[in-house]
Amino acid sequence: DAKTTQPNSMESNEEEPVHLPCNHSTISGTDYIHWYRQLPSQGPEYVIHGLTSNVNNRMASLAIAEDRKSSTLILHRATLRDAAVYYCIPIDTGGTSYGKLTFGQGTILTVHP
Amino acid sequence: NAGVTQTPKFQVLKTGQSMTLQCAQDMNHNSMYWYRQDPGMGLRLIYYSASEGTTDKGEVPNGYNVSRLNKREFSLRLESAAPSQTSVYFCASSEWGSQPQHFGDGTRLSIL
Repeated sequence: DAKTTQPNSMESNEEEPVHLPCNHSTISGTDYIHWYRQLPSQGPEYVIHGLTSNVNNRMASLAIAEDRKSSTLILHRATLRDAAVYYCIPIDTGGTSYGKLTFGQGTILTVHP
Repeated sequence: NAGVTQTPKFQVLKTGQSMTLQCAQDMNHNSMYWYRQDPGMGLRLIYYSASEGTTDKGEVPNGYNVSRLNKREFSLRLESAAPSQTSVYFCASSEWGSQPQHFGDGTRLSIL
């Protein structure tokens, strides 16, 4: 499984953009990069995923480096509801690691009013 | 829209008791998963079912059994509960393995 490195914690002010980085230098060519978040006392919530190109959805944007060894989750305007632990997870689409999400420590995002 | 439903939400057991955690999804997903989350830790995969009729071990399968009852339902059984199995258990489903997983709200299980 590809290993990931994320900052332990980050802080932001409400309505400001937030850039959450993730290093995944051992990622394989077929691994998708998924981002999940977990709000307090809730199950994880899917945020976004991509393979090579940058991706946008209603929740966030995902910028993937050209060499795919790192990615950045972008929350364009942070709200208090975005305070959560954010996980960057490469997913092997083949082999024996079928769909297995390996959750690391993630990044604790604090949003200040 | 219910998504992934887990029952019960809370449970307290004594050491040695058995219990089955239930999970059902209404999204017609093929794959289902069971995770556990210990305090301050990320989730760890216990078992998964890639499709109806198949189950496979994840990272921490010891002490658990699973049954994929049909396409909708995937249960997790603790045959003889131990204090080390005190945790929050999450069920998830996805259309296929590489697709986003949808999680339930969890079952908080304490074993005394």
